[in-house]
Amino acid sequence: NAGVTQTPKFQVLKTGQSMTLQCAQDMNHNSMYWYRQDPGMGLRLIYYSASEGTTDKGEVPNGYNVSRLNKREFSLRLESAAPSQTSVYFCASTPGGYYGYTFGSGTRLTVV
Amino acid sequence: AQSVTQPDIHITVSEGASLELRCNYSYGATPYLFWYVQSPGQGLQLLLKYFSGDTLVQGIKGFEAEFKRSQSSFNLRKPSVHWSDAAEYFCAVGSPSGATNKLIFGTGTLLAVQP
Repeated sequence: NAGVTQTPKFQVLKTGQSMTLQCAQDMNHNSMYWYRQDPGMGLRLIYYSASEGTTDKGEVPNGYNVSRLNKREFSLRLESAAPSQTSVYFCASTPGGYYGYTFGSGTRLTVV
Repeated sequence: AQSVTQPDIHITVSEGASLELRCNYSYGATPYLFWYVQSPGQGLQLLLKYFSGDTLVQGIKGFEAEFKRSQSSFNLRKPSVHWSDAAEYFCAVGSPSGATNKLIFGTGTLLAVQP
């Protein structure tokens, strides 16, 4: 029972570099989400995929892109990293609203 | 628009004391309601959830929460806090009528437990 797996767990980038955060779930969930967590701001939704083949912007999408590669995998890409993107990133999935989310363990990203 | 308010940013309780964490929401009807816990350096774990039925719901780790429609609240309680309960707690709401299954999270309450 791996649940939701995020890679990498830690990353340091220089301003302007690009990277992709990977997320995979093995629970056959339809919906997947990317959140960022910053002190005092809770979790803010970046992008989500309500079902395989669809993606939509959340609350804070600027500077990010996503790909729902298949039902299992949902990646988040930073094309040109900025210090404001220093954060902890969480991927989550759900089979449907009432069940709530299952979260990954997070990626701590620092942009210098 | 849906919103969630957790009025207490930081709470300190003594071990063995009772705990209540507040959560207020704004939504047109009864939403899905959740409480999550996050230990340092970890992801979020679901403590309990509510949509309908008995307004007092039991969760894991000895936690319970009470839904009060008249107050738009879903407060989390524990009768006797243990040192291992020190963590950050998040309340969240979701729409039963939405197709996106999105949750809106509060800003969290950080719980410290003193000996």
